[in-house]
Amino acid sequence: DIVMTQSPDSLAVSLGERATINCKSSQSVLYSSNNKNYLAWYQQKPGQPPKLLIYWASTRESGVPDRFSGSGSGTDFTLTISSLQAEDVAVYYCQQYYSTPPRYTFGQGTKLEIK
Amino acid sequence: EVQLVESGGGLIQPGGSLRLSCAASGFTVSSNYMNWVRQAPGKGLEWVSIIYSGGSTYYADSVKGRFTISRDNSKNTLYLQMDSLRAEDTAFYYCARSLPFDYWGQGTLVTVSS
Repeated sequence: DIVMTQSPDSLAVSLGERATINCKSSQSVLYSSNNKNYLAWYQQKPGQPPKLLIYWASTRESGVPDRFSGSGSGTDFTLTISSLQAEDVAVYYCQQYYSTPPRYTFGQGTKLEIK
Repeated sequence: EVQLVESGGGLIQPGGSLRLSCAASGFTVSSNYMNWVRQAPGKGLEWVSIIYSGGSTYYADSVKGRFTISRDNSKNTLYLQMDSLRAEDTAFYYCARSLPFDYWGQGTLVTVSS
């Protein structure tokens, strides 16, 4: 199985400052035939199901604020929140959906708090 | 509006069986990839199973041979039959649409304990 490792496990950032979360996969999730990275980011607030933020590593889901951005390729990926808002307090997960047969593994999660 | 509503969770003894349901509205289950994802209380996310629009099914190694994913097209509902339940299956179970998972239900809690 592809192992997804996020860093850090937790992060405290001041309001208005930048937050950066990293995700590393144990093997490439870049599919060469279409040049797409099969990597998604989710946000989970307490007591709620996860919400899709980013897919194809850098495409924002409809309705997601543009302060959220994704980058990276191959095995190394980053989720950036450009200016942290109070409502961004959550746990963030990366996920690969590359595996065949399906084994759609998640990272362990990064807890984002306000400093 | 797309909605997913899970039901069927509860307290069950080890070795028992439970069937979860996920009623969908706003889209057609049979035309989409549909998944089950679980989350042990206070822990991270674990993908459990997928059923493709064509009907192929796949499972995480941790549940293969014990869990069965299925759907009822007439009811637009997804199911997860869980047999030989273990304590480590205790979790919130979410159904989620597509790949990646663009819509999620609110989840149903399964507690396996004697």
